[in-house]
Amino acid sequence: DFVMTQSPDSLAVSLGERATINCKSSQSVLYSSNNKNYLAWYQQKPGQPPKLLIYWASTRESGVPERFSGSGSETDFTLTISSLQAEDVAVYYCQQYYTSLYTFGQGTKLEIK
Amino acid sequence: EMQLVESGGGLVHPGGSLRLSCVASGFTFSNSWMNWVRQAPGKGLEWVASVKEDGSEKNYMDSVKGRFTISRDNGENSLYLHMNTLTDEDTAIYYCARGVALDYWGQGTLVTVSS
Repeated sequence: DFVMTQSPDSLAVSLGERATINCKSSQSVLYSSNNKNYLAWYQQKPGQPPKLLIYWASTRESGVPERFSGSGSETDFTLTISSLQAEDVAVYYCQQYYTSLYTFGQGTKLEIK
Repeated sequence: EMQLVESGGGLVHPGGSLRLSCVASGFTFSNSWMNWVRQAPGKGLEWVASVKEDGSEKNYMDSVKGRFTISRDNGENSLYLHMNTLTDEDTAIYYCARGVALDYWGQGTLVTVSS
């Protein structure tokens, strides 16, 4: 089974500072035939459905601000918010779609310090 | 504008059944993998099931296999989740979501399993 583990569980960052969220997969999500990492990041604000931010580990979804970036490969991934804005307060999830049985990380709650 | 609208949630007794629906608009439904994802109150996201564009492939998380059935009607731009033998652990908001990286989500429908 694919297990996705995020760290930390919660994070408090000052406005304008960098926020970094990690995601570790129990197995590699890198598909060798196309050299793509089957890893996505989502943002969920209270009372709203999740919103796709990043796919293929580092491709920003259309309309997502440039301060959001994704990096990593195989089993270790990072979501970085370069300069935290008030509207970025949310829970963030990673998700693997390497297998047909998708799995999410447990979520990281991001707050303002 | 792309839209996914779920319906069919409600209160059901343990052991009961429910059918959820999701109507899609604003995109070519028949060209899209579709999914159900759930979120228990105060908890994280949990992928439940997916169905290929033509309905030929269906996948389920282990805890719902044999109890839940995902289906679709491309002529009606609709996705369904038939849920049987419900337990309190199935209490959640159920979202339908498009794609493989899930690029569009509905607002969800709440299923409460309680006696």
